[in-house]
Amino acid sequence: NAGVMQNPRHLVRRRGQEARLRCSPMKGHSHVYWYRQLPEEGLKFMVYLQKENIIDESGMPKERFSAEFPKEGPSILRIQQVVRGDSAAYFCASSPSASGSDTQYFGPGTRLTVL
Amino acid sequence: DAKTTQPPSMDCAEGRAANLPCNHSTISGNEYVYWYRQIHSQGPQYIIHGLKNNETNEMASLIITEDRKSSTLILPHATLRDTAVYYCIVRSFYSGGGADGLTFGKGTHLIIQP
Repeated sequence: NAGVMQNPRHLVRRRGQEARLRCSPMKGHSHVYWYRQLPEEGLKFMVYLQKENIIDESGMPKERFSAEFPKEGPSILRIQQVVRGDSAAYFCASSPSASGSDTQYFGPGTRLTVL
Repeated sequence: DAKTTQPPSMDCAEGRAANLPCNHSTISGNEYVYWYRQIHSQGPQYIIHGLKNNETNEMASLIITEDRKSSTLILPHATLRDTAVYYCIVRSFYSGGGADGLTFGKGTHLIIQP
C-alpha cells in the first residue's frame, strides 16, 4: 500500500511566479491536510479538504494561497506570486476520516525555495 | 485541543530504552494522545496513539497515567536512527470546530549517543 505521495520534492521559483504542489493521499483516504514548516520552526496546519470541499482553512494565509481536492486527481496547493517568505517545506497528510481516532499519515514533503 | 509540554531535548545511549515524557494536564475525555517523530527534515512519521489504556506496537510503547494528565513514549532499544524530534500531540475524537489539523509544539529533540 503506497504511502502519501507528494511532488515535486523540490521546487525552485523566482519571486512573482506561481508554485503548484501536489499531494496524492493513501489509497482509501479521502481526507487531506496541508501543513507548512518554515525554516527552524514547527509544523503549522494550513488547510483540511475532503473531495471537492474545503472543510477548514483556518491556517491558510488570506492572500495568494489556495487549495483544492478535485473529484479526480491529487490535491493541489497553489501559491501565486511567491515571495521569499514562502520558502518552506510543505507537507501533506491524509486520513480515512476526520475522526481523532484515525491517524493522519504524512508525505515526504515539497521543499519550496523562492529566489 | 489540549496543550502539551515536553522537554526540549534528551540524550539516550544506544541500545538503552528511551523514555520521552509529555504533560497534557488539560486533556479532556474525548482527546487522544498521539506521538509522531520527524527525522531531520523528512515528513513526520506516525509512531503510536492511545486514549486511556497503554498501547504497544512494533515501534514503541505508550504509557498513559490513570488520570491521563501525562504520558511516556518508550523506545525499548534505541538506535542511532531514532535520533529525531518527537512530538506529543493531543487530538479530539470529534472533527470540526478547528480541531481537524494537528497542533505541533516544539517537541523533544532526542539524541541517541553511540
